[in-house]
Amino acid sequence: GAVVSQHPSWVICKSGTSVKIECRSLDFQATTMFWYRQFPKQSLMLMATSNEGSKATYEQGVEKDKFLINHASLTLSTLTVTSAHPEDSSFYICSARKPGNTGELFFGEGSRLTVL
Amino acid sequence: AQSVTQLDSQVPVFEEAPVELRCNYSSSVSVYLFWYVQYPNQGLQLLLKYLSGSTLVKGINGFEAEFNKSQTSFHLRKPSVHISDTAEYFCAVSDSLVAQGGKLIFGQGTELSVKP
Repeated sequence: GAVVSQHPSWVICKSGTSVKIECRSLDFQATTMFWYRQFPKQSLMLMATSNEGSKATYEQGVEKDKFLINHASLTLSTLTVTSAHPEDSSFYICSARKPGNTGELFFGEGSRLTVL
Repeated sequence: AQSVTQLDSQVPVFEEAPVELRCNYSSSVSVYLFWYVQYPNQGLQLLLKYLSGSTLVKGINGFEAEFNKSQTSFHLRKPSVHISDTAEYFCAVSDSLVAQGGKLIFGQGTELSVKP
C-alpha cells in the first residue's frame, strides 16, 4: 500500500503560539489531501479538503483563519493551527488521495496536539 | 445527506470467538462503503470496501462485510478474533468515488476489545 507520513507525531505548545503539522505522501503524488480532527473516543470530523495549487475547501463551522492549510506541492500539505488555545488540543489526521479510478485514501499516523 | 450509525460503541469478546460490528447508513444516492481500523495513536487503515458488484466483500486480516441494500447495512464480521484485533473500527460512507470528489463520512466508531 501507499505511505502517508505526518510530522510531528506529538506536539505540545503554549497557548497563543502557532503550530504547523505536515502531511506527506511518500510514494505517490496527491493532488487532494484531507484534514480531519478526532476528539478522544470519537469519530473523525472532516475539517477541510486541500487541493494542490489552490485554496483549501473548508467544512461548515471550521475557521479557515484559525486552521491554515497549504498544499504547495503534490506530496506535501500543511495544517497550521494559529494562536492555539487549549480547546484546539486534539488528534489531527490527514489522508491523501492516490490517483486512479477509485482514488483510494491513505491515512497518516496522526498528530496529537496539546495546547497548555 | 449521508450519515453512518455504528450501533455499538464497545464490543468485548473472547479470543477465538466470532464477532460482528454493526453499521447502518443513510444515503439518498449511490453509496460506497468502507471499514477502517485504528490502533491506538495511529491513523486509519483500510480493512475493506464496497464499491459495486458482489455484496459480500472480503478484506484484510480475515474480516468480511456484507452490503445489504434493503436493510441499509454494512456489518463487519470475523469468524475468529485474535488479541491483536483489539482496536477501534470505523464504518464510512461516500456518495461518490473519492476520485470524483467524494468525501468520507465516518461513523462514531466501535471499540473492539478481545480478551484472552
